[in-house]
Amino acid sequence: GEEVAQTPKHLVRGEGQKAKLYCAPIKGHSYVFWYQQVLKNEFKFLISFQNENVFDETGMPKERFSAKCLPNSPCSLEIQATKLEDSAVYFCASSQGLGGRGNQPQHFGDGTRLSIL
Amino acid sequence: RKEVEQDPGPFNVPEGATVAFNCTYSNSASQSFFWYRQDCRKEPKLLMSVYSSGNEDGRFTAQLNRASQYISLLIRDSKLSDSATYLCVVGGSNDYKLSFGAGTTVTVRA
Repeated sequence: GEEVAQTPKHLVRGEGQKAKLYCAPIKGHSYVFWYQQVLKNEFKFLISFQNENVFDETGMPKERFSAKCLPNSPCSLEIQATKLEDSAVYFCASSQGLGGRGNQPQHFGDGTRLSIL
Repeated sequence: RKEVEQDPGPFNVPEGATVAFNCTYSNSASQSFFWYRQDCRKEPKLLMSVYSSGNEDGRFTAQLNRASQYISLLIRDSKLSDSATYLCVVGGSNDYKLSFGAGTTVTVRA
């Protein structure tokens, strides 16, 4: 597609439940990125993929967070045993290449607003 | 020290005014620079990439000063629709890992 598509738009979970978010990158984009935005526009990088391979996962809280990008499927971000502090907007972005080579920017999806009660 | 720092504002300006603001970045090896705008916690939308020589897109002008490690954005003839939060975004030495400023809020009043 022409846009990054994220689903669902809103997700409400009780503390301790699982949450799964999905992202379909723009067709032809090889790179997918997940960010968490909690308050005051503070974006936190979580993980990036080059096609179905993890490129950089240094931002991921590894105990409860996992992510995948499988061929012919939307990418997913899964949070096990959610905590109150996981409440945030999770943005997915995709790009054709990496920023410094031809200044290829990341294009963002609408985000998924996750509320943990 | 944060990787990207911005004046949060808000900048309240009348329609037609010029408004300008900067952001500074700490990683001297950064290779890519962008201004995004974000409306009411919706998705960030790319406003413009910032090139070494500076660049202009309609009423928007971006400048990069590598020596002093700052980027600027100038909006001329501001419109009501320019009201938004402007995010300064910098790619690290590995390019792909973007660092976001906290955003500068601009409000254009009639």
